[in-house]
Amino acid sequence: DAGVTQSPTHLIKTRGQQVTLRCSPKSGHDTVSWYQQALGQGPQFIFQYYEEEERQRGNFPDRFSGHQFPNYSSELNVNALLLGDSALYLCASSLLATRQETQYFGPGTRLLVL
Amino acid sequence: AQKITQTQPGMFVQEKEAVTLDCTYDTSDQSYGLFWYKQPSSGEMIFLIYQGSYDEQNATEGRYSLNFQKARKSANLVISASQLGDSAMYFCAMREEILNKFYFGSGTKLNVKP
Repeated sequence: DAGVTQSPTHLIKTRGQQVTLRCSPKSGHDTVSWYQQALGQGPQFIFQYYEEEERQRGNFPDRFSGHQFPNYSSELNVNALLLGDSALYLCASSLLATRQETQYFGPGTRLLVL
Repeated sequence: AQKITQTQPGMFVQEKEAVTLDCTYDTSDQSYGLFWYKQPSSGEMIFLIYQGSYDEQNATEGRYSLNFQKARKSANLVISASQLGDSAMYFCAMREEILNKFYFGSGTKLNVKP
């Protein structure tokens, strides 16, 4: 049973550039959430996708956008990168129909903006 | 106001002893879920245990148990018989079902001493 996978594992970009991070959910899951985790802090919710639409969004600017594909995989796009975007980006998947809706996380993508 | 508060930035425990990690939460929702995750230095968030707001029994999963005190809005994690492999960051999280948003605390770094 494949768990949540993310790519790439590490990424280095410069200010102003754009980046795309990818996530494949755990088998059987239909919902994908994205989080940003700065060094020494807890994860901050960016947004969640279900049925190819954004269901919920945290307090992140429009520079952060996403997409979900028919196979439930998802992308996170960040435009006009800032130094402060350097963080671990975590993807989590869940099954919406379950009341518990436990989220299972991938290994993350470490983004460094120079 | 913080949705999730973890007041212990760091904790030490002797191997084979029990340890309690504190978590308090703030919500006006009647229906919510509480989660604990473990994050080793590798970065991946590992799901440990879940407690629903309507669950009358405290959740248990192997060596993990959740001490749920609804009136106090606390959801402390108890790890029994600590092992060296338990050394990691531990995050408390909450999902408000109406808005379907997840909130994480700032984490507690647990060190298990041999």
